[in-house]
Amino acid sequence: AQSVTQPDIHITVSEGASLELRCNYSYGATPYLFWYVQSPGQGLQLLLKYFSGDTLVQGIKGFEAEFKRSQSSFNLRKPSVHWSDAAEYFCAVGSGYSTLTFGKGTMLLVSP
Amino acid sequence: NAGVTQTPKFQVLKTGQSMTLQCAQDMNHEYMSWYRQDPGMGLRLIHYSVGAGITDQGEVPNGYNVSRSTTEDFPLRLLSAAPSQTSVYFCASSSNIAGGPGNEQFFGPGTRLTVL
Repeated sequence: AQSVTQPDIHITVSEGASLELRCNYSYGATPYLFWYVQSPGQGLQLLLKYFSGDTLVQGIKGFEAEFKRSQSSFNLRKPSVHWSDAAEYFCAVGSGYSTLTFGKGTMLLVSP
Repeated sequence: NAGVTQTPKFQVLKTGQSMTLQCAQDMNHEYMSWYRQDPGMGLRLIHYSVGAGITDQGEVPNGYNVSRSTTEDFPLRLLSAAPSQTSVYFCASSSNIAGGPGNEQFFGPGTRLTVL
């Protein structure tokens, strides 16, 4: 069965600093990988996804992620964090019927 | 398009009560799913449907029933609520065009349920 690990429960980054959120997955076949963001009290918004092609994927709000098959990783990055990026971030792997297996999430705190 | 809608937004139940969480989508999506979100647990799949009349269990199906009589609607029923079902519930839908597992899932705004 597939699984997703997000090793960091909380991360604090200074505004303007770079960000990397880690995600490792376990999946038997070619993975379909997603990053979602959730602001407090809100639903989930898709940041980006990967399922083939270029291993560096660009998303919304200036985020990007790199798929590394050898490391079973799909880390999310942003070169310069804004205070509005404070939220919870979820990595997920897609399965056969468009359902998702989520990681437990990483809460991003942005300090001034 | 309204996208995925869920009602109610908030609900408080007593142990043993029943209720139905409503979910509707207007994007003509074949696939619909229910997830629950608990602190520190991420989102976990409860039930899903690949089309009208077809449903299946996810990771945490116990205590929940679903049915899919139309493409648009996918209600989630709690027959006898328990405090362990206190959670935030999200409904999602996606299309079944080529790319299947790679298709974006669209999430509703969620229902916050408290069982006393």
